[in-house]
Amino acid sequence: DAGVIQSPRHEVTEMGQEVTLRCKPISGHNSLFWYRQTMMRGLELLIYFNNNVPIDDSGMPEDRFSAKMPNASFSTLKIQPSEPRDSAVYFCASSPRSSGVTYEQYFGPGTRLTVT
Amino acid sequence: KQEVTQIPAALSVPEGENLVLNCSFTDSAIYNLQWFRQDPGKGLTSLLLIQSSQREQTSGRLNASLDKSSGRSTLYIAASQPGDSATYLCAVRGANNLFFGTGTRLTVIP
Repeated sequence: DAGVIQSPRHEVTEMGQEVTLRCKPISGHNSLFWYRQTMMRGLELLIYFNNNVPIDDSGMPEDRFSAKMPNASFSTLKIQPSEPRDSAVYFCASSPRSSGVTYEQYFGPGTRLTVT
Repeated sequence: KQEVTQIPAALSVPEGENLVLNCSFTDSAIYNLQWFRQDPGKGLTSLLLIQSSQREQTSGRLNASLDKSSGRSTLYIAASQPGDSATYLCAVRGANNLFFGTGTRLTVIP
């Protein structure tokens, strides 16, 4: 299995631009999570899906952030418009059971976002 | 809100030494606790998952313990190797969220 796949691995963009991060979970996994990691705040859960349905988006910082999961094998995290303080590493993770975070999570390699 | 603390923030040990990493959390109402390893510039690799009803889990040279009532977990690494050098993170699962500690950066000196 290829594991959780994220693209792009690195993204540099200018303030105000739209940014879309992509994630392909491990095949057969029912739950998908988006995290953000910064030096100041560490790892934070942004949103998670069970069976393609958003369950908890309380970690999404602002309305500028949105996430979708149109099918079981693909999810996007969009920031529009982007700001310098959004610079961070964004991780996607998936889990094999519908009960979400109860079970072991498998992380992707992350997308390093820099907003100038 | 759940707060997860890891001490020490950084640790250097000579190769072959046994070591313990600590994780503490403020709310004992957790579902499970997971230990991860993160290499520089890389994602997270899950090491061990302990359910709230369990006391410990073992995988190779790693042993993780959980004391829910006192809000503590430890990760014991036996016979450390230079390849163990990484940042180790613990994460506790609450009702709807996974709370991460800030990690312990481990360096094993050959």
